[in-house]
Amino acid sequence: AQKVTQAQTEISVVEKEDVTLDCVYETRDTTYYLFWYKQPPSGELVFLIRRNSFDEQNEISGRYSWNFQKSTSSFNFTITASQVVDSAVYFCALNPSQGGSEKLVFGKGTKLTVNP
Amino acid sequence: GAVVSQHPSRVICKSGTSVKIECRSLDFQATTMFWYRQFPKKSLMLMATSNEGSKATYEQGVEKDKFLINHASLTLSTLTVTSAHPEDSSFYICSARGGAMGEETQYFGPGTRLLVL
Repeated sequence: AQKVTQAQTEISVVEKEDVTLDCVYETRDTTYYLFWYKQPPSGELVFLIRRNSFDEQNEISGRYSWNFQKSTSSFNFTITASQVVDSAVYFCALNPSQGGSEKLVFGKGTKLTVNP
Repeated sequence: GAVVSQHPSRVICKSGTSVKIECRSLDFQATTMFWYRQFPKKSLMLMATSNEGSKATYEQGVEKDKFLINHASLTLSTLTVTSAHPEDSSFYICSARGGAMGEETQYFGPGTRLLVL
């Protein structure tokens, strides 16, 4: 079964704090892809990162960083020095490759509120 | 790059009417597009996969005759909600699959808020 779990439903932080959003996935595929998307109040999903299962290197992009741990099936997302504009719902998603599936399996999302 | 547009962004209609939503990939060609529905404070629910030049593949529980999907070109897919009812009110989001081979990613449109009175 393919599944993505984002255990944190809502997180509230004060500006400049660091915050980590957790994502745990389940798949039997050996090849798969993981994604993070940001959904601000406007509704549009903004693509943040794509990671394939063979690349366990952590990635940093500005204030964003991702920690991919295959051993624990986790793909956590950290925002450093959070800003009010980071307030949004963040979705982690899995694209299993079995059968050439192109479908994304989404987690339920984590709503992040950054207060001034 | 990888911009996806949706039109309209908001629509209010009377019960019983049909509503068409367009999804366009603006700067890339997409043989595959996806239609999702999202209820307030909920995750995205995949409704169907739209393939250019062929019939859409619907997820279990999604009525094909109610949600008509047409993918007539490599840059346009349309979703028509036929005989809309208040329970069809929702946020509909499309995505288009793009990117270099081996780096394919779903890029999402801004969504369409449908309110059926």
